[in-house]
Amino acid sequence: AQSVTQLDSQVPVFEEAPVELRCNYSSSVSVYLFWYVQYPNQGLQLLLKYLSGSTLVKGINGFEAEFNKSQTSFHLRKPSVHISDTAEYFCAVTVMEYGNKLVFGAGTILRVKS
Amino acid sequence: ETGVTQTPRHLVMGMTNKKSLKCEQHLGHNAMYWYKQSAKKPLELMFVYNFKEQTENNSVPSRFSPECPNSSHLFLHLHTLQPEDSALYLCASSQGSGRENIQYFGAGTRLSVL
Repeated sequence: AQSVTQLDSQVPVFEEAPVELRCNYSSSVSVYLFWYVQYPNQGLQLLLKYLSGSTLVKGINGFEAEFNKSQTSFHLRKPSVHISDTAEYFCAVTVMEYGNKLVFGAGTILRVKS
Repeated sequence: ETGVTQTPRHLVMGMTNKKSLKCEQHLGHNAMYWYKQSAKKPLELMFVYNFKEQTENNSVPSRFSPECPNSSHLFLHLHTLQPEDSALYLCASSQGSGRENIQYFGAGTRLSVL
């Protein structure tokens, strides 16, 4: 079965510092990859997606992610975080062979400190 | 505001109660989903509806009963729940059910079963 691993459950970082949230997936076949963000008391909002083409994907709020097929990774990065980026971030993947279901990782809580 | 509205936002119920969660989308989408979000666990897909027809039931106990009267509305009827059913229940919608379709989430209903 398809699985998504987010290696860090929490990432504390100071404001204006860079951050990387790590995501690995288990499939060796064609995948579509997504990052969602969940702010407190809200639903999930799409940050960015990789469907095909360039492996570097830019999303909203200054975030970007790089698809690395050989390492089966899709890490999320931001060069300078703000307090308002404090939220939980979810990596997700769909694989056609598994019925196009969106499979989520367990989430990474990003805590930005001043 | 994502165009997906869930009511109520919070619900407390006893194990013998019957209640319903409501989801409404204003995006003209054809597919709707129910997810369960428990603490420290990945989001779990519960049900998928495509053009009002249920296309996925992810081995959900029968005490959860979905209903999709039209493409804009989705309900989750609850009866004789257990304390372990306490969680955030998220509704989502997408244009289609293919793996490239972006899912838009509501803010969720926080359910507590006493």
